[in-house]
Amino acid sequence: AQSVSQHNHHVILSEAASLELGCNYSYGGTVNLFWYVQYPGQHLQLLLKYFSGDPLVKGIKGFEAEFIKSKFSFNLRKPSVQWSDTAEYFCAVNRDGGYNKLIFGAGTRLAVHP
Amino acid sequence: GAVVSQHPSWVICKSGTSVKIECRSLDFQATTMFWYRQFPKQSLMLMATSNEGSKATYEQGVEKDKFLINHASLTLSTLTVTSAHPEDSSFYICSARDERTQYFGPGTRLLVL
Repeated sequence: AQSVSQHNHHVILSEAASLELGCNYSYGGTVNLFWYVQYPGQHLQLLLKYFSGDPLVKGIKGFEAEFIKSKFSFNLRKPSVQWSDTAEYFCAVNRDGGYNKLIFGAGTRLAVHP
Repeated sequence: GAVVSQHPSWVICKSGTSVKIECRSLDFQATTMFWYRQFPKQSLMLMATSNEGSKATYEQGVEKDKFLINHASLTLSTLTVTSAHPEDSSFYICSARDERTQYFGPGTRLLVL
């Protein structure tokens, strides 16, 4: 069965630190990849997505993610985090075409200290 | 960007009553909508996939007679929790698919007393 693993459940950083959140998936076919963010008390928002093309994807708020097919990974990065980045981050994957069910990772809770 | 709304945002009801939650795509048409539950400090659990004009597809373990889904138009899907019980208390989230991307609603918090 397809699965999505997010290695870090909780991450605590100081402002201006660099961030990398890991995401690995198990499906071997063509996939679409997503990172969503859920700020405290708010709904899920799309940060960025990858369908095809350049494996380095830039999203909103200075976030980027790199798709490495050989590693089945789609890690999220930000060079310098801000207090306002405190949120929960979810990686999600679906198979390209056909039944577009999203498979979510367990989420990573990020806390940024000012 | 694509906007999805849900109504109500929260509801409190007595055990045994039914609750209807609406999900609307405001600026795009969604052939497919999805319904999720999110438990505290956990990820989203897909309950069912709702296709306009046809029956919903439920995930394993989700009772279709308890969670009735209707997708009457390309911009509206409803989830009715029938004969709600306290264990149905949760955060229900819908999403609507625009081409290959799902956009999420703000969620509905249900508390069954």
